[in-house]
Amino acid sequence: QVQLQESGPGLVKPSETLSLTCTVSGGSISSSNSYWSWIRQPAGKGLESIGRIYTSGFTDYNYSLKNRVTISVDTSKNQFFLHLNFVTAADTAVYYCVRGPGAATREAFDIWGQGRMVTVSS
Amino acid sequence: QSALTQPASVSGSPGQSITISCTGNSSDVEFYKLVLVSWYQQHPGKVPKLIIYGGSERPSGISNRFSASQSGNTASLTISGLQVEDEADYYCCSNVGTRTWVFGGGTRLTVL
Repeated sequence: QVQLQESGPGLVKPSETLSLTCTVSGGSISSSNSYWSWIRQPAGKGLESIGRIYTSGFTDYNYSLKNRVTISVDTSKNQFFLHLNFVTAADTAVYYCVRGPGAATREAFDIWGQGRMVTVSS
Repeated sequence: QSALTQPASVSGSPGQSITISCTGNSSDVEFYKLVLVSWYQQHPGKVPKLIIYGGSERPSGISNRFSASQSGNTASLTISGLQVEDEADYYCCSNVGTRTWVFGGGTRLTVL
């Protein structure tokens, strides 16, 4: 059973970079032909897709965040990463790492991590 | 990118059926027809859970009380035989044709 776990700082200062790691267990990040995504959810609000990566390194990003976000992958460690630059209070949210979307998951986000609360504050 | 519109709230009594709509413009939900719309259930303080994928299919372990369909540019989630534990937030999601996935604003289901 594939599981995902987010890790990283829970507090980031304004204008700095938010960096999170997602560790995939229970299966190889490369073997499932899946995409891997980051999704965030501000408190009391809805879900927002940040972007996705394939194990080849191919990425797609949410247009509104494209200039600030980088998603990368390290297949040897079974991990993928999120970097969001120049953060503001508006980036405060729970960040989820998720499997999907892509053909392997019928374009759905099928497995979710537990989420990491990240607060942007000085 | 376009948003998908859901009603903010719906309610129903135990045993009843409810339907949650998800409406997008022609470049959103309709583009991929019944293939790419997915639905997620989120209980308060919990992680979202996939309940419908590929427009109308249920993952293993999801009750057949959950069903989904699409007509034109509106996708719908129907929950039949409402149970108290169905009280949660529900989100639709669709590819918007530019390799970007957009979620609806979410619908709070209250079971009276």
